[in-house]
Amino acid sequence: EDQVTQSPEALRLQEGESSSLNCSYTVSGLRGLFWYRQDPGKGPEFLFTLYSAGEEKEKERLKATLTKKESFLHITAPKPEDSATYLCAVPGGSYIPTFGRGTSLIVHP
Amino acid sequence: DVKVTQSSRYLVKRTGEKVFLECVQDMDHENMFWYRQDPGLGLRLIYFSYDVKMKEKGDIPEGYSVSREKKERFSLILESASTNQTSMYLCASTDYYNEQFFGPGTRLTVL
Repeated sequence: EDQVTQSPEALRLQEGESSSLNCSYTVSGLRGLFWYRQDPGKGPEFLFTLYSAGEEKEKERLKATLTKKESFLHITAPKPEDSATYLCAVPGGSYIPTFGRGTSLIVHP
Repeated sequence: DVKVTQSSRYLVKRTGEKVFLECVQDMDHENMFWYRQDPGLGLRLIYFSYDVKMKEKGDIPEGYSVSREKKERFSLILESASTNQTSMYLCASTDYYNEQFFGPGTRLTVL
């Protein structure tokens, strides 16, 4: 059974204080790893897909990386508008993804 | 851009009522999903559909049913709403790469 674990559950940063979120996974065969951003009271918004170890993707202050066992979402010089819950997921059999519980990020001005 | 829309953002119903939540996607995706999301429990899959008139149970189907008569539309039905079904309901559709695109969510309160 596929498993996805995200850490930490919650993270508070000061504006400009860079950090990383972790997503560790156990799958029978990796077919990709997805990152999403979810604002309070809204649906998750797709950010990135990573397919193979060593791959990196960037979007503004966010950079996602992938190894054979985990993925990191690096946030460089975050701003208050980066505050959100970040979810990762791996696609499973029958098209059903397995989601982590998410990391709630708060960036203070 | 992929667009997934849900019929209501907020809904208040009474215990025992039949509730319909509708979801429409405009990208011709074959796979559609219904989740509920509760604090501390994450996203939990209720039902999914991989084709018109096809449906599969997810992790928590009890108390729910679904309908998919057209490719773009996937409806979630609460046969007799109960207070423990108060939650955020999220619809999603999946593209060829299995990337999920979510709707804005429906916050359902059952009194």
